Amino acid sequence: QSVLTQPPSVSGAPGQRVTISCTGSSSNIGAGYDVHWYQRLPGTAPKLLIYGDSNRPSGVADRFSGSKSGTSASLAISGLQAEDEADYYCQSYDSRLSGSVFGGGTKLTVL
Amino acid sequence: EVQLLESGGGLVQPGGSLRLSCAASGFSLSNYAMNWVRQAPGKGLEWVSGISVSGDNTYYTNSVKGRFTISRDSSKNTLYLQMNSLRAEDTAVYYCAKGRGSRWTALYFDSWGQGTLVTVSS
Repeated sequence: QSVLTQPPSVSGAPGQRVTISCTGSSSNIGAGYDVHWYQRLPGTAPKLLIYGDSNRPSGVADRFSGSKSGTSASLAISGLQAEDEADYYCQSYDSRLSGSVFGGGTKLTVL
Repeated sequence: EVQLLESGGGLVQPGGSLRLSCAASGFSLSNYAMNWVRQAPGKGLEWVSGISVSGDNTYYTNSVKGRFTISRDSSKNTLYLQMNSLRAEDTAVYYCAKGRGSRWTALYFDSWGQGTLVTVSS
């Protein structure tokens, strides 16, 4: 059971917009700790997608955006493309565990 | 170009030990907080351990405290994870990850290795 909760799967058609939620608690996201997002393409290492809630590293398309409110965060992907099909993970810090924590991951399927 | 190359994984019996290595290139790992993250079969990512920029502070997830030790050799630009008293639940692909963030509580991972598989089984 992951400390951060994500839906196991989401799907969307090419061109559509999808969102992936990441729900935490008062000891992590709700405490104001930053949320970060990673994309894991099949057979590859995770890639940083969003850091500090809503910042994109250079090279990441502006179709990807992050937001946070209360004890939850969201990753939005607009203009869905076939190559976006991957697993997505959120990550934050948990004060009760004194360490980084990840969500269980969400598999995005592009229909 | 930043590169991280893990090695040292393999099959080990319960109670045994392994030492993982992560050779860094393209940057000096002593200038960053370095970490180990693992993924068990069919499970999500789990942060395992980290070492601060100064090297003075090390951090561990509760399940490995007292069994795993993270360290680095700046002269070799290499990160290590000494794993003792291994259990079946430690079976996973272990990734080396370069940490960023203004403070430890804002840590995120901007570069990852390809991982090394550790299998704990009799």
